[in-house]
Amino acid sequence: QSALTQAPSASGSPGQSVTISCTGTSSDVGGYNYVSWYQQHPGKAPKLMIYEVSKRPSGVPDRFSGSKSGNTASLTVSGLQAEDEADYYCSSYAGSNTYVFGTGTKVTVL
Amino acid sequence: EVQLVESGGGLVQPGGSLRLSCAASGFTFSSYNMHWVRQAPGKGLVWVSRINSDESDTTYADSVKGRFTISRDNAKNTLYLQMNSLRAEDTAVYYCARHGVPAGFDYWGQGTLVTVSS
Repeated sequence: QSALTQAPSASGSPGQSVTISCTGTSSDVGGYNYVSWYQQHPGKAPKLMIYEVSKRPSGVPDRFSGSKSGNTASLTVSGLQAEDEADYYCSSYAGSNTYVFGTGTKVTVL
Repeated sequence: EVQLVESGGGLVQPGGSLRLSCAASGFTFSSYNMHWVRQAPGKGLVWVSRINSDESDTTYADSVKGRFTISRDNAKNTLYLQMNSLRAEDTAVYYCARHGVPAGFDYWGQGTLVTVSS
């Protein structure tokens, strides 16, 4: 149950795109199409942004998209806006009804 | 409107116990698996435990197995986390979350802070 690996930080200017990666193993990210992504603003609860690798819940802007290749999943935020500045966490099903989160990436809008 | 409201956090000494509650409303609680997720101060999210809809199956992170017990009362629309043998490293905000999409947590409570310290 080791945490998935994410870069500590990422940044982009308004209107640009930023991509966050989430690396796991064949026992979690690579083994299932069950990766989700969460946005967390300071002092707030996490918010689901992407589930099942690339599906967006209703209400989440289509600027947010997800993908996966092998043991690495990615979240791309296109057309960066000031309100996108937050911490982002990936999560994956890890088998036997257990789950694992990523280490988190702080996105800064320059 | 879906609401999850945690309670029961506080200051406890190492080795002590605490029971967290999560009151659910706005949805059919008995139809959903539920989870606890924690976040130490300034740190990332960590999955803690899961319980299925009829309480017939539970799973735990290795770090809490044997010390924490997840349960639910579907008649009271409430999720619980009994935490025993608490350690300093259990200090965190504890969130309850609804498992509303495949392998995803679609609604979260506001969290309750547990501080383990002498």
